[in-house]
Amino acid sequence: DQQVKQNSPSLSVQEGRISILNCDYTNSMFDYFLWYKKYPAEGPTFLISISSIKDKNEDGRFTVFLNKSAKHLSLHIVPSQPGDSAVYFCAASLAGGTSYGKLTFGQGTILTVHP
Amino acid sequence: NAGVTQTPKFQVLKTGQSMTLQCAQDMNHEYMSWYRQDPGMGLRLIHYSVGAGITDQGEVPNGYNVSRSTTEDFPLRLLSAAPSQTSVYFCASSAPGAGAIDEQFFGPGTRLTVL
Repeated sequence: DQQVKQNSPSLSVQEGRISILNCDYTNSMFDYFLWYKKYPAEGPTFLISISSIKDKNEDGRFTVFLNKSAKHLSLHIVPSQPGDSAVYFCAASLAGGTSYGKLTFGQGTILTVHP
Repeated sequence: NAGVTQTPKFQVLKTGQSMTLQCAQDMNHEYMSWYRQDPGMGLRLIHYSVGAGITDQGEVPNGYNVSRSTTEDFPLRLLSAAPSQTSVYFCASSAPGAGAIDEQFFGPGTRLTVL
């Protein structure tokens, strides 16, 4: 049973346009949501995160939106650049304590940004 | 800081062989985890550790053993390799206050093929 789902395996956008990557989850106990970016032959690297008590978090060109009632989050990249081409993973975690350090990942979305 | 290092980068095993995937981190992080990445499945947690001497199972622990004798090292042992264990394995470390909440720092991965 996949608790975190990324239903779009791939997304293709033109350089300069907006990229929107989506993620849905089923466990209402998740407290933190993170986005990771992964290039081929490298490990995932942290991009941006959001707490369940917020509905938006921005960091430069990257914004994550959280809709708790819909159990949905999205990552917006504006403007998209060719260097953003990578696999993007959505991940979720429960609040601290014994759950710290355990992430539940989605399947990933391959983003391709065309020049 | 080397961050999280993993050896080997690539490995080919025959069914039934055993081996150990090495993981080390030099950031003094308490939490360490092993994930496997399979196509269409994202990253799934195998085992994790909240400190030296303390380990626990993740989502897909069968066929794998771990131990944590030091803060720095967290090896993953395959007891009797099976073709279903063909995957890319990532080690990660984290600590409260090191980066964003629940941010994990990943190694470059080990690509394992079991024939």
